[in-house]
Amino acid sequence: KNEVEQSPQNLTAQEGEFITINCSYSVGISALHWLQQHPGGGIVSLFMLSSGKKKHGRLIATINIQEKHSSLHITASHPRDSAVYICAAQRGEGAQKLVFGQGTRLTINP
Amino acid sequence: GAVVSQHPSRVICKSGTSVKIECRSLDFQATTMFWYRQFPKQSLMLMATSNEGSKATYEQGVEKDKFLINHASLTLSTLTVTSAHPEDSSFYICSARGLAGALSPSTDTQYFGPGTRLTVL
Repeated sequence: KNEVEQSPQNLTAQEGEFITINCSYSVGISALHWLQQHPGGGIVSLFMLSSGKKKHGRLIATINIQEKHSSLHITASHPRDSAVYICAAQRGEGAQKLVFGQGTRLTINP
Repeated sequence: GAVVSQHPSRVICKSGTSVKIECRSLDFQATTMFWYRQFPKQSLMLMATSNEGSKATYEQGVEKDKFLINHASLTLSTLTVTSAHPEDSSFYICSARGLAGALSPSTDTQYFGPGTRLTVL
C-alpha cells in the first residue's frame, strides 16, 4: 500500500462543476502539498498546508490531521483546470523529502 | 513568485553519451535542491537531495556514479546522466528550497522547475 493515496485516479467533469480530489496518507507529516502538473510536464505548487484550510482563487485545500486526509476542491471548474493534481506528504519536522501520491488526472470538458 | 528554471527542456542523445541538466533558482538562493524522475503515467520519484557545497544524498536504488549531482552555488545544481541508456529516458524535474529571509520565499516551500525530457536512442 502506498504511503500517499489519491482518489479518484481519473476524473472527467463538465465545465462549471465542483471538483473534489482526495488524498489520504499513512505517515506522520509536517505538511501536505498539492501540486498541479500540466500536459507539458511543468509542475506548479498550489498549496502547502499543515492544518485547517487554505483558499486561492477557485481552489480550496483542506486537511484533517487526525484523519490523515486532505482534499483539494475546485469551484466553477474550467477546461484550463485540466491537469494532473498531485498530493505530496512532507515527512517529519524539518524533513525535506516529499512522498508523492500517484496523481489524479482531471479533464474538464467545455 | 519564486522561479526555478531547467536547461535544456528537451534532449535527445545517443546511447553511451553523457547528458548534463541544469537547475537554477532565478530570484532566490536555494540551500537545497531536489532531483526527481518521472516515468510515463507514474508519479515523481525522488532521486537525490543536493545541498550547496556538500555531497548529494541519493535515494535507495539510485546509482550515484551514474547520476552525478553538483550543487556548486546557491543558485545552480546540475545533474549529469553518465553513459546514458534507453532505460534512462525519462522526465527529470528539479525543485529548490529557499533560504529564510524577507526577500526570499518560504523555506518550507519547494519550487519546481519545468522539467527536462530526456530521450536516449
